[in-house]
Amino acid sequence: ELKVEQNPLFLSMQEGKNYTIYCNYSTTSDRLYWYRQDPGKSLESLFVLLSNGAVKQEGRLMASLDTKARLSTLHITAAVHDLSATYFCAATGGTSYGKLTFGQGTILTVHP
Amino acid sequence: EPEVTQTPSHQVTQMGQEVILRCVPISNHLYFYWYRQILGQKVEFLVSFYNNEISEKSEIFDDQFSVERPDGSNFTLKIRSTKLEDSAMYFCASSGLGGRYTEAFFGQGTRLTVV
Repeated sequence: ELKVEQNPLFLSMQEGKNYTIYCNYSTTSDRLYWYRQDPGKSLESLFVLLSNGAVKQEGRLMASLDTKARLSTLHITAAVHDLSATYFCAATGGTSYGKLTFGQGTILTVHP
Repeated sequence: EPEVTQTPSHQVTQMGQEVILRCVPISNHLYFYWYRQILGQKVEFLVSFYNNEISEKSEIFDDQFSVERPDGSNFTLKIRSTKLEDSAMYFCASSGLGGRYTEAFFGQGTRLTVV
């Protein structure tokens, strides 16, 4: 059974600093996703990572995938307050028909 | 831009009552999903649906739950006799022809409160 674990679960950052959220998954996965969720809102897709070594960047966020280590990272560069949200990674894999298995989420708070 | 829409946005129901949560997936999508998120927790898979039948379901999706695509556009989740622990945000999602190989798009969610 695919399991996905994120760390840290809580992240308090100062504006302008850099940090990385880690996402480990337990078995071979077809795809790795990163989502952002604002309080009480839906899941906004940030990145879809398909293959080993994939790297995608959007603004101050950059995601990467190492399938051999079963690890994805979400790197935040020069954080700003608007990035405050909960970030989830999710993976698909095995025989499931697109079923997403989510990590616990990382609550990111960016302080001035 | 096509989107998944869910109604209602918030439903309050008494314990033991039946509720139906509605979703209109993106029009040319073929795979449909329900997920739930208890407040402050992670998002959990409930069920996937393809070709008018359930493809996969989780342990959470017991006999109290059912899904249906009654008219070719709506996709519903029914909870027959709600319990307090069913209180959660329920998300519908849909994906295209590639199924497991295409990205699922999520609706805005229905917040279910069981009192």
